[in-house]
Amino acid sequence: DVKVTQSSRYLVKRTGEKVFLECVQDMDHENMFWYRQDPGLGLRLIYFSYDVKMKEKGDIPEGYSVSREKKERFSLILESASTNQTSMYLCASSRRGVSEAFFGQGTRLTVV
Amino acid sequence: ILNVEQSPQSLHVQEGDSTNFTCSFPSSNFYALHWYRWETAKSPEALFVMTLNGDEKKKGRISATLNTKEGYSYLYIKGSQPEDSATYLCAFIGYNNNDMRFGAGTRLTVKP
Repeated sequence: DVKVTQSSRYLVKRTGEKVFLECVQDMDHENMFWYRQDPGLGLRLIYFSYDVKMKEKGDIPEGYSVSREKKERFSLILESASTNQTSMYLCASSRRGVSEAFFGQGTRLTVV
Repeated sequence: ILNVEQSPQSLHVQEGDSTNFTCSFPSSNFYALHWYRWETAKSPEALFVMTLNGDEKKKGRISATLNTKEGYSYLYIKGSQPEDSATYLCAFIGYNNNDMRFGAGTRLTVKP
């Protein structure tokens, strides 16, 4: 059974804190993605990675960074959390090319 | 920002109705289009991966068509059932890289 696992289901952090969201996949996929989902806006791409140590900005990278030191793990970092980063964060992975993506269960982050 | 648009934003139908919704995307740089179903409290799951102009795919009562020249895809559900209630997302994959960008989704509610 394929699996994409996000480290936390729910997270509450304070404004200004550094926040790490972890995502691990067990399918040896090359591509990994981070999205945020807000009502009415669908899934917006924050960053993606197509190989170890490679990263590309998506549509809304401001305030975020990522790390991919190992193929199976893709971390999203909020350098200094702000209330407008309160959202649902979804990680996904896929094989290089046209293959479907597999998603984690999501992390609902609240920044207070 | 690459524009992937879905319409309508939401749809309420009666059990047994047939329905369809639209995904429009840039016609240039096309590599693939995905359809996903996202049920409440679950992760998005792939319905179809479509790559060729004129592609038609079917899974049970759900089918999809693809027109890459004009940049749209239709998803059809025949004889909607309450268990079809979900948000349906389309994702555009461009030729140059591996990023995957979603539309805002169509939220379908099927009333018994």
